[in-house]
Amino acid sequence: GQNIDQPTEMTATEGAIVQINCTYQTSGFNGLFWYQQHAGEAPTFLSYNVLDGLEEKGRFSSFLSRSKGYSYLLLKELQMKDSASYLCAVLYNTDKLIFGTGTRLQVFP
Amino acid sequence: DSGVTQTPKHLITATGQRVTLRCSPRSGDLSVYWYQQSLDQGLQFLIQYYNGEERAKGNILERFSAQQFPDLHSELNLSSLELGDSALYFCASSVAGADPDTQYFGPGTRLTVL
Repeated sequence: GQNIDQPTEMTATEGAIVQINCTYQTSGFNGLFWYQQHAGEAPTFLSYNVLDGLEEKGRFSSFLSRSKGYSYLLLKELQMKDSASYLCAVLYNTDKLIFGTGTRLQVFP
Repeated sequence: DSGVTQTPKHLITATGQRVTLRCSPRSGDLSVYWYQQSLDQGLQFLIQYYNGEERAKGNILERFSAQQFPDLHSELNLSSLELGDSALYFCASSVAGADPDTQYFGPGTRLTVL
């Protein structure tokens, strides 16, 4: 079966750096997505990794290790608006997507 | 704005009733996905349609059904509603065949069953 684990909640301070981890077990792995979801709103696409390594996009970076079934999302220079849930999602069998339960991040001033 | 539209935005109904949620995918997207998100729960995949045909089924109850029409819009029908069906229902769409096949989400329909 498919399984994704990520921490339920994290807190951080404005201006700091936070790393949100995600571990997964899946067959037919085709890539890993990170989505951001503010409360009551739609998830929005942040990043996609299919090869091992780090993908950087502005203040957000995402890392993948396929051999370890591990990914992380790194958020730098945290802003209050970054308070949201961050969803790790694994793409398998080409177009099937399974989501983790999400990590709720609270950023404090 | 993802380009995916969903109506209605909110829906309040009673147990035992039937409702229909509507989704229009982004222009050019052939795949439509339906998800349910209950309070403090993750996104649960319900069903996927590709170019009018059912492609994959997730944790969709028998009381729920969906279809995708020739113009590619999709409807999710929920019947014999129970209190536990109260949730946010999201529709997402993707090109299908793209690399990666990124899903873009609509704003959701908040269903409240009283």
